[in-house]
Amino acid sequence: DVKVTQSSRYLVKRTGEKVFLECVQDMDHENMFWYRQDPGLGLRLIYFSYDVKMKEKGDIPEGYSVSREKKERFSLILESASTNQTSMYLCASSTPPGQGGDGYTFGSGTRLTVV
Amino acid sequence: GDSVTQMEGPVTLSEEACLTINCTYTATGYPSLFWYVQYPGEGLQLLLKATKADDKGSNKGFEATYRKETTSFHLEKGSVQVSDSAVYFCALSGTSYGKLTFGQGTILTVHP
Repeated sequence: DVKVTQSSRYLVKRTGEKVFLECVQDMDHENMFWYRQDPGLGLRLIYFSYDVKMKEKGDIPEGYSVSREKKERFSLILESASTNQTSMYLCASSTPPGQGGDGYTFGSGTRLTVV
Repeated sequence: GDSVTQMEGPVTLSEEACLTINCTYTATGYPSLFWYVQYPGEGLQLLLKATKADDKGSNKGFEATYRKETTSFHLEKGSVQVSDSAVYFCALSGTSYGKLTFGQGTILTVHP
């Protein structure tokens, strides 16, 4: 079964820590995305990548960075975690428009708590 | 920019009741439209999609019709079950790398 795997379901980190959230997909998808999900706000795009070593800012990139050294792996980095980054983080992958596929495939999410 | 607006929730229904969750959008061009569902403790799953005006997407008894004249994509089901309890997200895909823009989500709870 094809999937997107996020390395942790739950994380608790301290304010100021550098945090790495890992995402791996086995579908050979070009595009990968990081969203955060907050009640009443839906999903907001943090960063996305359309190719290895390529990245683009989404709607809320402040306080985050990303890394995509290999096609299957897309990492989200919180440079210095803050309490307002407590959230559910969702990774997704997709094929580019016009190349088939059914939208995104999502991982199960990582619930991050910053204390 | 692109945006999606869903009806306010939460929605609470009895089993076998009819469901409608409203979704309207703002976008340039001709986006594709999606409904995703998130069951408790899980990631989002694609429920249905429509790629052009007047298309109807359907799956698991749910339906939604792409209405360009009203810029809407309302989700409907004639008879809900307890197992339909979940969060439902409306989304659109613009032309840039297939990025999805999501609505705020609607929590549906179905009681026996």
